Amino acid sequence: DAGVTQSPTHLIKTRGQQVTLRCSPKSGHDTVSWYQQALGQGPQFIFQYYEEEERQRGNFPDRFSGHQFPNYSSELNVNALLLGDSALYLCASSSGDRWTYEQYFGPGTRLTVT
Amino acid sequence: GDSVTQMEGPVTLSEEAFLTINCTYTATGYPSLFWYVQYPGEGLQLLLKATKADDKGSNKGFEATYRKETTSFHLEKGSVQVSDSAVYFCALRANSGYSTLTFGKGTMLLVSP
Repeated sequence: DAGVTQSPTHLIKTRGQQVTLRCSPKSGHDTVSWYQQALGQGPQFIFQYYEEEERQRGNFPDRFSGHQFPNYSSELNVNALLLGDSALYLCASSSGDRWTYEQYFGPGTRLTVT
Repeated sequence: GDSVTQMEGPVTLSEEAFLTINCTYTATGYPSLFWYVQYPGEGLQLLLKATKADDKGSNKGFEATYRKETTSFHLEKGSVQVSDSAVYFCALRANSGYSTLTFGKGTMLLVSP
């Protein structure tokens, strides 16, 4: 049973460019959440997708957008990259009702903006 | 808003020493509490959890007890191993709405032989 997978593993971009990160949830999971983990910090919630719609969003600008596909996989898009966007981006998947679900994390995508 | 505060690291111990990593939280109501571990170059793994006051979560020799009166969820292990070297994150999930995780900044643990 494959867990949460993310691609690519590492990515280097230049300021002002756009980037797309991808996530495949654990088998049987229908909800995907994205987190940003800056160096030396804890993960910060970006947004969550369920039934192909964003249903909750953290304190991130509109430059951060996402999408969920019918097979529950998800993409995170970041436009107009800033140096401060350099971080580990973690995808987490879950299933079940809103009160009891557990989130399973992928290995992350390391984004470096130069 | 919700927040989690962890003791700063790194915590440096010798193998077989006793471990405590302090975690306190601020939240409305009665959140669920979690400890996650992150090994170098990897994502987060759930270590243990507690969903109500006085619950004790345990896994792989690690334990943490949900203390509502002190709003704490300290992580303990009686005898650490070199393989326990990692970053440990305390997190909470509010039990309302489509709740997500709020994390502390993490505490690095370094265990030497």
